[in-house]
Amino acid sequence: VQLVQSGAEVKRPGSSVKVSCEVIGGDFDVFSVSWVRQAPGHGLEWMGGIIPVFKTPHYAQRFQGRLSITADRSTKTAHMELSGLGFDDTALYFCTRARYSGRQIEGDQWGQGTQVSVSS
Amino acid sequence: IQMTQSPSSLSASVGDRVTISCRASQGIGDYLAWYQHKPGQVPRLLIYAASTLQSGVPSRFSGSGSGTDFTLTIASLQPEDVAIYYCQKYGTVPRTFGPGTRVDLK
Repeated sequence: VQLVQSGAEVKRPGSSVKVSCEVIGGDFDVFSVSWVRQAPGHGLEWMGGIIPVFKTPHYAQRFQGRLSITADRSTKTAHMELSGLGFDDTALYFCTRARYSGRQIEGDQWGQGTQVSVSS
Repeated sequence: IQMTQSPSSLSASVGDRVTISCRASQGIGDYLAWYQHKPGQVPRLLIYAASTLQSGVPSRFSGSGSGTDFTLTIASLQPEDVAIYYCQKYGTVPRTFGPGTRVDLK
């Protein structure tokens, strides 16, 4: 299974960015696709996720209102759109895929990461 | 639920036993995973369900704990273990990560 993310982005403050993540070679519908970012000098931060067959995304509270996560089952691609970008949104953004069956974690693949830079 | 880790960083010698702690602000059962993140690589799942080793992970890694207090142990530190280690709660959303523990060689 491979997760292939879209390319690097440079954005202005206040604008939006949309990053895609295509799942190649594995099941898409019942696996959770999450977005995790790492800002320079900071640790991993879980932003939100979606199980495509259920369609309802879940977001970390700090991103509520400016984060949108969607999944297109026909193209096996998940999308993450972050609006109202600030300089502190400069980070490497990862998509991840896993299935949580009780305590078991099945899968746990990661995309290659997409660098988003916010600059004036 | 907030996740904390200690220490934030440590230096140890090859062959040393290394212990990293993770604490949840509320009980999370054993829905706790440990990740290893090396520079320039994607994070790697080491342990889930607090103590279950992911396939392919060396047996020198082990995890323990339940409820609010968890531990990752490296029985004999190797040069390739230099990385940042994160705990993550995953039973419910948000699947929050701890702040990380940097492990270096002395």
